[in-house]
Amino acid sequence: GQNIDQPTEMTATEGAIVQINCTYQTSGFNGLFWYQQHAGEAPTFLSYNVLDGLEEKGRFSSFLSRSKGYSYLLLKELQMKDSASYLCAVRDRGSQGNLIFGKGTKLSVKP
Amino acid sequence: EPEVTQTPSHQVTQMGQEVILRCVPISNHLYFYWYRQILGQKVEFLVSFYNNEISEKSEIFDDQFSVERPDGSNFTLKIRSTKLEDSAMYFCASSVWGNTEAFFGQGTRLTVV
Repeated sequence: GQNIDQPTEMTATEGAIVQINCTYQTSGFNGLFWYQQHAGEAPTFLSYNVLDGLEEKGRFSSFLSRSKGYSYLLLKELQMKDSASYLCAVRDRGSQGNLIFGKGTKLSVKP
Repeated sequence: EPEVTQTPSHQVTQMGQEVILRCVPISNHLYFYWYRQILGQKVEFLVSFYNNEISEKSEIFDDQFSVERPDGSNFTLKIRSTKLEDSAMYFCASSVWGNTEAFFGQGTRLTVV
């Protein structure tokens, strides 16, 4: 079966660093995506990993270990506007873009 | 910056009625998708569309659903006879290729009463 797990909620302080973990078990793998979703809005693309290692993009970094079925999203210098849900999504091998989403991690950034 | 646009932003319909949700994907994108998100739940894949035909669909996408690209810019999702459980946010998305990131529209909130 297809399963993607991430923590339901996290809280962090403005200016701090937070790491959001994601583990997945899917029948195949062809890339892992992180999206940000503010309440009532569309998911917004943050990052993409298909090979093992770290991808850095400004304040956001994402890491992938395919052998462990594990990824994390690292957010640095947290701002209040980073309060949102962060969605981990996996594309199955051979898929024409079909993404399997986790339930998302709701991050609250406090002053 | 190019974006995926969806209309209407909110639609209320009576159970059993047909609805058509409309989307204009980003102009140079070749792959189009519909996803839905029931309130408080995860985003779920419905269907992908490439080269004027369905390339993949999920178990949710049964005979009640259909998609169409009626012209060079629009991409529509039709629900033939809506049920209460069809109430959800429906997101259209597009990508350049099937293996590149998908960009989502702002969604249509469908409420079936």
